[in-house]
Amino acid sequence: EVRLVESGGGLVKPGGSLRLSCAASGFSFSSYSMNWVRQAPGKGLEWVSTISGSSNYIFDAESVKGRFTISRDDAKSSLYLQMDSLRADDTAVYFCTRAVITVTKGMDVWGQGTKVTVSS
Amino acid sequence: QSVLTQPPSASGTPGQRVTISCSGRRSNIGSNFVSWYRHFPGAAPKLLIYSNNQRPPGVPDRFSGSKSGTSASLAISGLQSEDEAHYYCAAWDDSLNGVVFGGGTKLTVL
Repeated sequence: EVRLVESGGGLVKPGGSLRLSCAASGFSFSSYSMNWVRQAPGKGLEWVSTISGSSNYIFDAESVKGRFTISRDDAKSSLYLQMDSLRADDTAVYFCTRAVITVTKGMDVWGQGTKVTVSS
Repeated sequence: QSVLTQPPSASGTPGQRVTISCSGRRSNIGSNFVSWYRHFPGAAPKLLIYSNNQRPPGVPDRFSGSKSGTSASLAISGLQSEDEAHYYCAAWDDSLNGVVFGGGTKLTVL
């Protein structure tokens, strides 16, 4: 079964850091581009970051550039999101997703999400 | 405000056909594929359509996608009560070098 399981969310103070993880199973992880997408309370979906297979390409949303870092460990079939300098508007459920070959075609597998709350 | 524009709401009766529109620009829909997602609150979003009009395995043929110029649409035929959810369109944007989503459409089955 193809599966993505996020972890690492929680409550953090403004300016703090958090590292999200996503454990993949059931497919050849290294062959796929992977992404983070978030949904703030009461808002729609927002793309955060994309990393290609073999980490050749990385793309970040302007809203997180310079603060968030996406990475992957293909040996562990894991995706990460290091979040620094967190702000209140980063509060959201963060989803790990798999791209359909490339992220330009769509995202066909989604995790259940992990909740991040940034508040003092 | 979202880069892709969707109507905030849509509705239909069981058995009816409804369409949800998604409007963008040359840099996103005009140049790249469109995908569509269904999202029930508290659950993981689900891919319904990728590459403009392709259905992943397991998605019923009641769902279809189309694209023309800088606009796209999702059609749902034979509307069912379980189709009541939020629907999002998305596309890569060449100017922003990232994925852009529509603001979402809440579909109500009357």
